[in-house]
Amino acid sequence: GQQVMQIPQYQHVQEGEDFTTYCNSSTTLSNIQWYKQRPGGHPVFLIQLVKSGEVKKQKRLTFQFGEAKKNSSLHITATQTTDVGTYFCAGQGGSEKLVFGKGTKLTVNP
Amino acid sequence: DAGVIQSPRHEVTEMGQEVTLRCKPISGHNSLFWYRQTMMRGLELLIYFNNNVPIDDSGMPEDRFSAKMPNASFSTLKIQPSEPRDSAVYFCASNAYRGGNTGELFFGEGSRLTVL
Repeated sequence: GQQVMQIPQYQHVQEGEDFTTYCNSSTTLSNIQWYKQRPGGHPVFLIQLVKSGEVKKQKRLTFQFGEAKKNSSLHITATQTTDVGTYFCAGQGGSEKLVFGKGTKLTVNP
Repeated sequence: DAGVIQSPRHEVTEMGQEVTLRCKPISGHNSLFWYRQTMMRGLELLIYFNNNVPIDDSGMPEDRFSAKMPNASFSTLKIQPSEPRDSAVYFCASNAYRGGNTGELFFGEGSRLTVL
């Protein structure tokens, strides 16, 4: 079945440093979504990418969808302590269901 | 507007007991998803419903797990009998699916289950 791999599993940065998490799917995706989960919280939707090669920005966050629609990345510029949490990608293949990666847990040292 | 509402927020029970988790999706949403989150396995899709009909239950671990959606505003996930390995956070999520791309999932705050 469809699998979504996400790396790294953990990332610790100093405040102000950049952060990137990568997502790879075993199959071509129709779209990919990104979620953020704060410690003790629930996943919250950040963005959805649909088009091959698509790049979207939200303030310091940049999201990319690969040309082959099998990989994606999330890049945060100049991390802040408010960026702490676990970032998940979730891919949709040929059915309605979203398959989540295992997430990248980001900690930021002030 | 109220989001997805789950209950109970926390449940501690003993092995062998029946556990029922409840979910009220956002009004107007026609798709409902049950996910389980553990450190080891991450977020796993257990089952999802579209217009109250179970579409894919291939993620349900075994026969001890069952889920129902008797109407558009209510769903239950039942574990009977519960086992310690069922300890996890169970999330319910909903969205308004119109075909094609799934779109944003709205998650509830989760039910943290501990089976002793």
